[in-house]
Amino acid sequence: GAVVSQHPSRVICKSGTSVKIECRSLDFQATTMFWYRQFPKQSLMLMATSNEGSKATYEQGVEKDKFLINHASLTLSTLTVTSAHPEDSSFYICSAPGASGYTFGSGTRLTVV
Amino acid sequence: QQQVKQSPQSLIVQKGGISIINCAYENTAFDYFPWYQQFPGKGPALLIAIRPDVSEKKEGRFTISFNKSAKQFSLHIMDSQPGDSATYFCAASMGGNTGKLIFGQGTTLQVKP
Repeated sequence: GAVVSQHPSRVICKSGTSVKIECRSLDFQATTMFWYRQFPKQSLMLMATSNEGSKATYEQGVEKDKFLINHASLTLSTLTVTSAHPEDSSFYICSAPGASGYTFGSGTRLTVV
Repeated sequence: QQQVKQSPQSLIVQKGGISIINCAYENTAFDYFPWYQQFPGKGPALLIAIRPDVSEKKEGRFTISFNKSAKQFSLHIMDSQPGDSATYFCAASMGGNTGKLIFGQGTTLQVKP
């Protein structure tokens, strides 16, 4: 079945630095990638939708300059958390729609110290 | 109108029992209703999904019941097992299985041996 590979699974970074999260669709072409953020014991909140070859669409309240999304090819979308702060610590998950529904990545646990 | 309300927040069931999780929505434009299972530190995985032209769908021990007039749908897990202990999310989208997903708040299920 469809697989979305997400890396890294865990990352710890210092406050003020930037972190890049990658999601690759391994056996299908993902023209769209959804990026979610999940706090402990809470639901998934959609942050933005990336589309191959065009600008990402951000949900209300999400800072586009802080969460940079690039969808440079049909198999790769990246989320860069710029100038990370402790409040950005969270679980980030990507998801791509396919023929049999959405396939989610395994998530990235970001801890900003 | 974009909300999906899920209950209960947590559920404890004995092994072999039936687990029931409920969701309600307002937007009648939703046309795809999936359920996801999420283990700690992992991305959600699709369990089963239904479209509004069907009142029930069964896959193994998992059944979705859909009540279009009441705008409610529920997940039934028959013969619940300790391995079913996880967080379950209902969701809804417009545009079939490729539109933006709106998630419920999640239900933490614990199945006691």
